[in-house]
Amino acid sequence: AQKITQTQPGMFVQEKEAVTLDCTYDTSDQSYGLFWYKQPSSGEMIFLIYQGSYDEQNATEGRYSLNFQKARKSANLVISASQLGDSAMYFCAMREPDTGRRALTFGSGTRLQVQP
Amino acid sequence: DTEVTQTPKHLVMGMTNKKSLKCEQHMGHRAMYWYKQKAKKPPELMFVYSYEKLSINESVPSRFSPECPNSSLLNLHLHALQPEDSALYLCASSQVTLDSPYEQYFGPGTRLTVT
Repeated sequence: AQKITQTQPGMFVQEKEAVTLDCTYDTSDQSYGLFWYKQPSSGEMIFLIYQGSYDEQNATEGRYSLNFQKARKSANLVISASQLGDSAMYFCAMREPDTGRRALTFGSGTRLQVQP
Repeated sequence: DTEVTQTPKHLVMGMTNKKSLKCEQHMGHRAMYWYKQKAKKPPELMFVYSYEKLSINESVPSRFSPECPNSSLLNLHLHALQPEDSALYLCASSQVTLDSPYEQYFGPGTRLTVT
């Protein structure tokens, strides 16, 4: 069984500063995918970034980067130059291996608040 | 275009009502999903359709009935719901090709209240 752990229920960051949201995972599979989603108060889940278990380089998408440490089974999200619009709930998720299931298992989430 | 649309945005229904939630995507994705999300909790998978066939049912009560009429549409038919079914219902879609990370694109959700 797969498990995603996000230990930070809430985080505060000053506008324009960088912030790291933690995510650890547990799986016995060799092939897996890790995702980060943002959920504003409106409810929509917005895909941010993806890291494959065999990817040698950390994924980056604009201000988002994923600090992937495979041996430690961690996949932390780094947001650089925080903006007020970054205030939202952030979920780390793992895709189950390619058994045809394609389901996502989500962590409990971290609520980020960006302060002016 | 990475848009998944859902209607209605809000729905209030009584326990004896029958209603349907609708989801639509035009990204050519052949996998579509229904998730249920309670307040302050992560989404929980309900159903997965792959190539218009139901591939996963996460032991969801029969008062929830999914339907995939074509590759772009996904419905969730609701009947005789309970107040504890009140939640945000999210639809998502994804590619199914082996070289894709299968990132799922979500719609804005339907906020359901059962009275």
